[in-house]
Amino acid sequence: DIVMTQSPLSLPVSPGETASISCRASQSLLHTSGYSFVDWYVQKAGQSPQLLIYMGSNRASGAPVKISGSGSGTDFTLTISRVEAEDVGVYFCMQALQTPLTFGGGTKVEIK
Amino acid sequence: VQLVQSGTEMKKPGASVKVSCQTSGYTFTAYYVQWVRQAPGQGLEWVGWFNPNSDGTRLAPKFQDRVTLTGDTSIRTAFMEMRSLRSDDAATYFCARSEGDTTMLDSWGPGTLLTVSS
Repeated sequence: DIVMTQSPLSLPVSPGETASISCRASQSLLHTSGYSFVDWYVQKAGQSPQLLIYMGSNRASGAPVKISGSGSGTDFTLTISRVEAEDVGVYFCMQALQTPLTFGGGTKVEIK
Repeated sequence: VQLVQSGTEMKKPGASVKVSCQTSGYTFTAYYVQWVRQAPGQGLEWVGWFNPNSDGTRLAPKFQDRVTLTGDTSIRTAFMEMRSLRSDDAATYFCARSEGDTTMLDSWGPGTLLTVSS
Protein backbone atom coordinates (compact mmCIF):
# COMPACT_ATOMS: atom_id res chain seq x y z
CA ASP A 1 0.00 0.00 0.00
CA ILE A 2 1.11 3.58 -0.65
CA VAL A 3 1.70 5.44 2.60
CA MET A 4 0.84 9.14 2.65
CA THR A 5 2.63 11.20 5.30
CA GLN A 6 1.34 14.69 6.04
CA SER A 7 2.94 17.49 8.01
CA PRO A 8 2.45 19.35 10.18
CA LEU A 9 -0.23 17.74 12.31
CA SER A 10 -1.45 21.14 13.49
CA LEU A 11 -1.00 24.50 11.80
CA PRO A 12 -1.93 27.70 13.63
CA VAL A 13 -2.01 30.59 11.19
CA SER A 14 -2.57 34.32 11.68
CA PRO A 15 -5.37 35.85 9.60
CA GLY A 16 -4.09 37.02 6.24
CA GLU A 17 -1.02 34.79 6.33
CA THR A 18 -0.26 31.82 4.07
CA ALA A 19 -0.58 28.21 5.18
CA SER A 20 1.41 25.42 3.56
CA ILE A 21 0.74 21.73 4.12
CA SER A 22 3.10 19.01 2.99
CA CYS A 23 2.25 15.50 1.85
CA ARG A 24 4.81 12.85 1.00
CA ALA A 25 4.02 9.55 -0.71
CA SER A 26 5.97 6.34 -0.14
CA GLN A 27 6.24 5.91 -3.92
CA SER A 28 5.84 8.08 -6.97
CA LEU A 29 2.27 9.09 -7.80
CA LEU A 30 3.16 10.02 -11.36
CA HIS A 31 0.69 8.43 -13.77
CA THR A 32 1.47 7.59 -17.39
CA SER A 33 -0.77 10.53 -18.30
CA GLY A 34 1.86 12.85 -16.87
CA TYR A 35 -0.31 13.88 -13.95
CA SER A 36 0.39 13.05 -10.33
CA PHE A 37 -2.59 11.29 -8.83
CA VAL A 38 -2.89 13.14 -5.55
CA ASP A 39 -6.01 14.92 -4.35
CA TRP A 40 -6.64 17.29 -1.46
CA TYR A 41 -9.76 17.47 0.70
CA VAL A 42 -10.91 19.63 3.58
CA GLN A 43 -13.21 18.48 6.34
CA LYS A 44 -14.85 21.23 8.33
CA ALA A 45 -16.34 20.61 11.74
CA GLY A 46 -19.31 18.26 11.59
CA GLN A 47 -19.16 17.93 7.81
CA SER A 48 -18.07 15.38 5.27
CA PRO A 49 -14.83 15.95 3.34
CA GLN A 50 -14.97 18.08 0.22
CA LEU A 51 -12.66 18.02 -2.76
CA LEU A 52 -10.32 20.98 -3.20
CA ILE A 53 -7.57 19.89 -5.59
CA TYR A 54 -7.32 16.90 -7.92
CA MET A 55 -4.41 15.46 -9.90
CA GLY A 56 -1.94 17.50 -7.92
CA SER A 57 -2.79 21.00 -9.03
CA ASN A 58 -6.26 21.22 -10.54
CA ARG A 59 -8.73 23.24 -8.51
CA ALA A 60 -12.11 21.55 -8.04
CA SER A 61 -15.33 23.29 -8.97
CA GLY A 62 -16.25 25.63 -6.15
CA ALA A 63 -12.83 25.56 -4.49
CA PRO A 64 -11.52 29.03 -3.64
CA VAL A 65 -8.96 30.53 -6.01
CA LYS A 66 -6.66 31.19 -3.06
CA ILE A 67 -6.13 27.44 -2.65
CA SER A 68 -3.48 25.83 -4.83
CA GLY A 69 -1.70 22.52 -5.12
CA SER A 70 1.79 21.81 -6.34
CA GLY A 71 4.43 19.11 -6.48
CA SER A 72 5.09 15.94 -8.40
CA GLY A 73 6.39 12.45 -7.89
CA THR A 74 6.37 11.91 -4.15
CA ASP A 75 6.27 15.42 -2.64
CA PHE A 76 3.21 17.64 -2.71
CA THR A 77 2.10 20.89 -1.14
CA LEU A 78 -1.25 22.51 -0.53
CA THR A 79 -1.10 26.28 -0.12
CA ILE A 80 -3.84 28.44 1.32
CA SER A 81 -3.30 32.15 0.78
CA ARG A 82 -4.77 34.91 2.94
CA VAL A 83 -6.08 32.54 5.59
CA GLU A 84 -9.36 33.53 7.19
CA ALA A 85 -11.77 31.98 9.67
CA GLU A 86 -13.67 30.02 7.01
CA ASP A 87 -10.48 28.10 6.14
CA VAL A 88 -10.41 26.38 9.52
CA GLY A 89 -10.65 22.62 9.18
CA VAL A 90 -8.71 19.41 8.71
CA TYR A 91 -6.97 19.01 5.37
CA PHE A 92 -6.23 15.57 3.93
CA CYS A 93 -4.20 14.41 0.96
CA MET A 94 -5.17 11.21 -0.81
CA GLN A 95 -3.37 9.14 -3.42
CA ALA A 96 -5.58 8.04 -6.29
CA LEU A 97 -2.97 6.11 -8.24
CA GLN A 98 -3.97 2.65 -7.08
CA THR A 99 -6.21 0.76 -4.69
CA PRO A 100 -6.34 0.70 -1.80
CA LEU A 101 -6.81 4.47 -1.90
CA THR A 102 -4.89 5.88 1.04
CA PHE A 103 -5.07 9.16 2.90
CA GLY A 104 -2.64 11.28 4.84
CA GLY A 105 -3.27 11.62 8.55
CA GLY A 106 -4.65 15.13 8.23
CA THR A 107 -3.49 18.64 9.12
CA LYS A 108 -5.64 20.76 11.38
CA VAL A 109 -5.56 24.41 10.30
CA GLU A 110 -6.63 26.88 12.96
CA ILE A 111 -6.53 30.62 13.42
CA LYS A 112 -4.01 32.03 15.90
CA VAL B 1 -25.50 16.10 -7.29
CA GLN B 2 -26.67 14.67 -3.98
CA LEU B 3 -25.78 11.59 -1.99
CA VAL B 4 -28.12 10.90 0.93
CA GLN B 5 -27.21 8.23 3.44
CA SER B 6 -29.26 6.21 5.87
CA GLY B 7 -29.39 7.16 9.53
CA THR B 8 -27.41 6.33 12.63
CA GLU B 9 -27.02 2.65 13.44
CA MET B 10 -26.45 1.06 16.86
CA LYS B 11 -25.34 -2.56 16.74
CA LYS B 12 -23.99 -5.22 19.07
CA PRO B 13 -20.70 -7.00 18.42
CA GLY B 14 -21.20 -9.85 15.98
CA ALA B 15 -24.21 -8.24 14.30
CA SER B 16 -24.50 -6.99 10.72
CA VAL B 17 -25.34 -3.59 9.31
CA LYS B 18 -26.41 -2.36 5.90
CA VAL B 19 -25.88 1.30 5.02
CA SER B 20 -27.54 2.91 2.03
CA CYS B 21 -26.46 5.78 -0.20
CA GLN B 22 -29.22 7.22 -2.37
CA THR B 23 -27.99 9.35 -5.24
CA SER B 24 -29.58 12.04 -7.40
CA GLY B 25 -28.62 14.73 -9.87
CA TYR B 26 -26.45 12.61 -12.12
CA THR B 27 -26.46 9.35 -14.10
CA PHE B 28 -26.04 6.67 -11.42
CA THR B 29 -24.37 4.17 -13.74
CA ALA B 30 -21.78 6.66 -14.99
CA TYR B 31 -19.90 6.96 -11.70
CA TYR B 32 -18.38 4.65 -9.13
CA VAL B 33 -19.57 4.78 -5.52
CA GLN B 34 -16.68 4.75 -3.07
CA TRP B 35 -17.00 3.94 0.62
CA VAL B 36 -14.70 5.57 3.19
CA ARG B 37 -14.86 5.36 6.97
CA GLN B 38 -13.64 7.59 9.78
CA ALA B 39 -13.31 6.39 13.36
CA PRO B 40 -14.06 9.03 16.02
CA GLY B 41 -11.36 11.69 15.99
CA GLN B 42 -9.34 9.75 13.43
CA GLY B 43 -8.37 9.95 9.77
CA LEU B 44 -9.98 8.54 6.66
CA GLU B 45 -9.86 4.88 5.65
CA TRP B 46 -10.92 3.54 2.28
CA VAL B 47 -13.32 0.59 2.39
CA GLY B 48 -13.92 -0.11 -1.30
CA TRP B 49 -15.81 0.82 -4.43
CA PHE B 50 -18.92 -0.30 -6.29
CA ASN B 51 -19.37 0.15 -10.02
CA PRO B 52 -23.11 0.51 -10.80
CA ASN B 53 -22.47 -0.02 -14.51
CA SER B 54 -21.05 -3.51 -14.07
CA ASP B 55 -21.96 -4.42 -10.48
CA GLY B 56 -18.23 -4.83 -10.02
CA THR B 57 -16.60 -4.20 -6.65
CA ARG B 58 -13.19 -3.89 -5.09
CA LEU B 59 -12.51 -3.92 -1.38
CA ALA B 60 -9.54 -3.07 0.76
CA PRO B 61 -7.96 -6.39 1.83
CA LYS B 62 -8.94 -5.98 5.48
CA PHE B 63 -12.63 -5.86 4.54
CA GLN B 64 -12.77 -8.58 1.90
CA ASP B 65 -14.25 -11.24 4.14
CA ARG B 66 -16.78 -9.06 5.98
CA VAL B 67 -18.06 -6.39 3.57
CA THR B 68 -20.32 -6.61 0.55
CA LEU B 69 -20.97 -3.66 -1.76
CA THR B 70 -24.07 -3.68 -3.93
CA GLY B 71 -26.41 -1.33 -5.72
CA ASP B 72 -29.91 -1.02 -7.12
CA THR B 73 -30.03 1.03 -10.30
CA SER B 74 -33.84 1.26 -10.20
CA ILE B 75 -33.60 3.42 -7.08
CA ARG B 76 -30.15 4.88 -7.77
CA THR B 77 -28.88 3.57 -4.47
CA ALA B 78 -25.67 1.89 -3.36
CA PHE B 79 -25.36 -0.29 -0.27
CA MET B 80 -22.56 -1.35 2.05
CA GLU B 81 -23.15 -4.39 4.25
CA MET B 82 -20.70 -5.25 7.01
CA ARG B 83 -20.93 -8.48 9.01
CA SER B 84 -19.42 -9.75 12.25
CA LEU B 85 -19.17 -6.23 13.62
CA ARG B 86 -16.45 -5.45 16.16
CA SER B 87 -16.04 -2.49 18.46
CA ASP B 88 -13.33 -1.06 16.22
CA ASP B 89 -15.81 -0.88 13.33
CA ALA B 90 -17.46 2.04 15.16
CA ALA B 91 -17.06 4.95 12.76
CA THR B 92 -18.79 7.29 10.39
CA TYR B 93 -19.18 5.67 6.98
CA PHE B 94 -19.21 7.96 3.97
CA CYS B 95 -20.19 7.23 0.41
CA ALA B 96 -18.69 9.35 -2.33
CA ARG B 97 -18.85 9.59 -6.10
CA SER B 98 -15.90 9.14 -8.45
CA GLU B 99 -15.58 8.99 -12.23
CA GLY B 100 -13.24 6.04 -12.13
CA ASP B 101 -12.05 3.38 -9.75
CA THR B 102 -9.08 5.48 -8.65
CA THR B 103 -10.04 9.06 -9.34
CA MET B 104 -11.04 12.03 -7.23
CA LEU B 105 -14.01 11.73 -4.91
CA ASP B 106 -15.89 14.78 -6.07
CA SER B 107 -19.13 14.55 -4.07
CA TRP B 108 -19.64 13.00 -0.65
CA GLY B 109 -22.61 11.90 1.38
CA PRO B 110 -23.11 13.29 4.91
CA GLY B 111 -22.00 10.07 6.53
CA THR B 112 -23.70 7.34 8.57
CA LEU B 113 -22.64 6.94 12.19
CA LEU B 114 -22.25 3.34 13.31
CA THR B 115 -21.82 2.51 16.98
CA VAL B 116 -20.92 -1.02 18.08
CA SER B 117 -21.40 -1.80 21.72
CA SER B 118 -22.73 -4.58 23.88
